[in-house]
Amino acid sequence: AQSVTQPDIHITVSEGASLELRCNYSYGATPYLFWYVQSPGQGLQLLLKYFSGDTLVQGIKGFEAEFKRSQSSFNLRKPSVHWSDAAEYFCAVGLPNSGYALNFGKGTSLLVTP
Amino acid sequence: AAGVIQSPRHLIKEKRETATLKCYPIPRHDTVYWYQQGPGQDPQFLISFYEKMQSDKGSIPDRFSAQQFSDYHSELNMSSLELGDSALYFCASSLRDSVLFGPGTRLTVL
Repeated sequence: AQSVTQPDIHITVSEGASLELRCNYSYGATPYLFWYVQSPGQGLQLLLKYFSGDTLVQGIKGFEAEFKRSQSSFNLRKPSVHWSDAAEYFCAVGLPNSGYALNFGKGTSLLVTP
Repeated sequence: AAGVIQSPRHLIKEKRETATLKCYPIPRHDTVYWYQQGPGQDPQFLISFYEKMQSDKGSIPDRFSAQQFSDYHSELNMSSLELGDSALYFCASSLRDSVLFGPGTRLTVL
């Protein structure tokens, strides 16, 4: 069955520290991969996406993600976290012929401490 | 820049009532997606439309229906509302590989 797993429900990092949020997927073929961020009570903002090509994807707000086919992973990274990065982060997966009919992970809640 | 517009932003209904949520996509975007996000949950894909035709169907209950109109706006109709329908309902619009989510409609069923 197709699935998206974000192993970490909560993550706490200090401001200025590096961040890595994990995402693993189980799909028959290489899917389209996305990371979204959501602040409390707000909508979903696309950070970055991977369709094909270069496996290291640059996104907005200094985020990047690396697609690793052998590990079925698409981990999100940021070298230095800012307090404003505290939010819920969702990894999402879609099939090439289904556009943005996405399957979301359960999300990772990021807390940033001073 | 223009964004996806959803109305109403908040809606309170009683059990067994009906509700209609509206989504106005980005101009020239031809595809609309509806998602439901329960409290503390991840968004669940409900249904999508491309050029006014249903293009994909997810976990949309039979009590719900949706359509896309000639001006590309979409409406999600929900009948016989249940307490469990309380959620944030997102609409997203896209054109090719560009997508934008709306701010959502928060539906509370009492």
